[in-house]
Amino acid sequence: NAGVTQTPKFRILKIGQSMTLQCAQDMNHNYMYWYRQDPGMGLKLIYYSVGAGITDKGEVPNGYNVSRSTTEDFPLRLELAAPSQTSVYFCASSYSLAQEYEQYFGPGTRLTVT
Amino acid sequence: GESVGLHLPTLSVQEGDNSIINCAYSNSASDYFIWYKQESGKGPQFIIDIRSNMDKRQGQRVTVLLNKTVKHLSLQIAATQPGDSAVYFCAELNLRNAGNMLTFGGGTRLMVKP
Repeated sequence: NAGVTQTPKFRILKIGQSMTLQCAQDMNHNYMYWYRQDPGMGLKLIYYSVGAGITDKGEVPNGYNVSRSTTEDFPLRLELAAPSQTSVYFCASSYSLAQEYEQYFGPGTRLTVT
Repeated sequence: GESVGLHLPTLSVQEGDNSIINCAYSNSASDYFIWYKQESGKGPQFIIDIRSNMDKRQGQRVTVLLNKTVKHLSLQIAATQPGDSAVYFCAELNLRNAGNMLTFGGGTRLMVKP
């Protein structure tokens, strides 16, 4: 299994541009998550999904959108990039069972908005 | 909202010594407390967890202690090795929250001196 994969690894955007961060998992996990991690800080949840067609806001959803058309994919969309969105973005996935809650993380996408 | 935090941002230890990383939490309703390790340029990786009805759990070279009286969590690493150098995050899980969402603390950087 490849686990959780993310593309691209790095990206530089100009203010106002848009982009989609891709995330895919091959573990048949129902739950998927998007986090952002600012320098020297912990992870903050942006959006999460409990299954295909179902998404919900996390702690910091403003400026982002997500979709979950398949179990495997959970893309994150930035419509109008702002410098405050400069961060490292991590996608994660997990099973839905309470006793198998462990989240598996992708390698991250480093985004700079200038 | 309630959050998980850490006492020490940076911990420097000699190779072979034991390391203790601390974390304070405020949500006494959490069901699990988890430690993640994040190496430079990578996503967080699950190390060990402890259920809220336990006070100690041991893994390979790692021990997690939970003191519910003072809402304190610690990660002990025995015989610290250079490969243990990373940022360590504590996180908490409340199974009553939708999507098994984790709340992460701010992280402690562990530096192992040869």
